[in-house]
Amino acid sequence: GAVVSQHPSRVICKSGTSVKIECRSLDFQATTMFWYRQFPKQSLMLMATSNEGSKATYEQGVEKDKFLINHASLTLSTLTVTSAHPEDSSFYICAEPRGAMYEEKLFFGSGTQLSVL
Amino acid sequence: QKEVEQDPGPLSVPEGAIVSLNCTYSNSAFQYFMWYRQYSRKGPELLMYTYSSGNKEDGRFTAQVDKSSKYISLFIRDSQPSDSATYLCAMVQGGSEKLVFGKGTKLTVNP
Repeated sequence: GAVVSQHPSRVICKSGTSVKIECRSLDFQATTMFWYRQFPKQSLMLMATSNEGSKATYEQGVEKDKFLINHASLTLSTLTVTSAHPEDSSFYICAEPRGAMYEEKLFFGSGTQLSVL
Repeated sequence: QKEVEQDPGPLSVPEGAIVSLNCTYSNSAFQYFMWYRQYSRKGPELLMYTYSSGNKEDGRFTAQVDKSSKYISLFIRDSQPSDSATYLCAMVQGGSEKLVFGKGTKLTVNP
């Protein structure tokens, strides 16, 4: 069964609106959640790492003020795309590491397809 | 040069064929190598995981790592239509949380 629940699966919104994407850890207390973005025919690119109870760590080139990450509890991490524009249209996926070896135990959500008109 | 190179395909094979998927990389510090399967507009799921060089077999799937050539492969034997998906290679340095993914190869197995 699913390890990480991600919602919504698809969002269509107008330019300038904000969109919140949620990832819930099922049956586990997730202190860390990775957020990836995937453009068509491109690699999964790590955007940021959220840590429960502390500030998220953003990858170079990712705007902190545009992509707000909140990890207020051990089971919920959220990504908010603020003032979305058409160039933000992409597939957003969260991933939760479990176990001692992050590299081995990475469980992905089902993804959110964001389309900004 | 990108850190990880993967031919995006698409690759189309008949049912029962042996499929070979490959990635090359430039960072010699990569130690862990993974293959993920991703169905259309879904999150990737881990197929195979290999540490350093060598082979690993799991059912119809075999992963190979050649660190001297900076080359990894995934072989699928007796391919099935249900294997139709995009296959992404991923790798990471020891002690790092940051996976680097290939673009993915789209595979279609025709019945």
